[in-house]
Amino acid sequence: DAGITQSPRHKVTETGTPVTLRCHQTENHRYMYWYRQDPGHGLRLIHYSYGVKDTDKGEVSDGYSVSRSKTEDFLLTLESATSSQTSVYFCAISWDKFVYGYTFGSGTRLTVV
Amino acid sequence: DQQVKQNSPSLSVQEGRISILNCDYTNSMFDYFLWYKKYPAEGPTFLISISSIKDKNEDGRFTVFLNKSAKHLSLHIVPSQPGDSAVYFCAAPANSGYALNFGKGTSLLVTP
Repeated sequence: DAGITQSPRHKVTETGTPVTLRCHQTENHRYMYWYRQDPGHGLRLIHYSYGVKDTDKGEVSDGYSVSRSKTEDFLLTLESATSSQTSVYFCAISWDKFVYGYTFGSGTRLTVV
Repeated sequence: DQQVKQNSPSLSVQEGRISILNCDYTNSMFDYFLWYKKYPAEGPTFLISISSIKDKNEDGRFTVFLNKSAKHLSLHIVPSQPGDSAVYFCAAPANSGYALNFGKGTSLLVTP
C-alpha cells in the first residue's frame, strides 16, 4: 500500500548487533503497530503506538524497543539481535484502533546469523 | 495462551466449490472480529469483519458467520477461485483494546 512503507525490505545481520526497522506512513493515522510473522505462530504483536511518544508492549516485546517521535514514523529496534528474532516483520496503521481494520506494510524480512 | 485459534493449518478446495475457514475464540467479551488475507511476500489485507451484534455479514463471495454461544466464527467463500489461494487470518481485539490478536492462519489452496 502506497500509504505505508517499511525499510529495509530485507536485511541480514549478525548476532549481537543492534538493528532498527523503520515504518513510515503518509496517512496521518494515529495508531501504528509492529507484528512479527513466524511459521506456526501467525502474526504476533510486538509493540504498538497510540500517538506520538505513546507506546506500549505487545505479547512478544522482550528484546525489542520502539520509538515514535512524529506521527509518520514508528521505529522498531532490536537491541542485540538473536537468531530467534529471525522473522518477517510487519508494520500496520489504523486511524481508529482496529474497528475499520489495519493497513499493513509489505514487510521486512530479517535474518540474524 | 492464544485467544484466537485457527485449528486447521491448511485447506484444499476445488475451484467453484465452497471454502469454509474456521476460527474459535476464548473471550466472550470480544465484540468485533475480522478476517485478513495474505499472499506470499505481501502484507495482510483486510477482507471482512463482523460485529458481535450480528450473526452474519456478507460481501460478495465472502460471508462471515458468528456463533457467539459456541465462540466460533467461520468464513465462507463461494464460489472459490484459484486467486483465493492465500493464508487467511482471523483476528479479534486484544485485551488492551488498542490492537488485534491474530490466529495462526489457515493456508487455502484452490485447485483448478
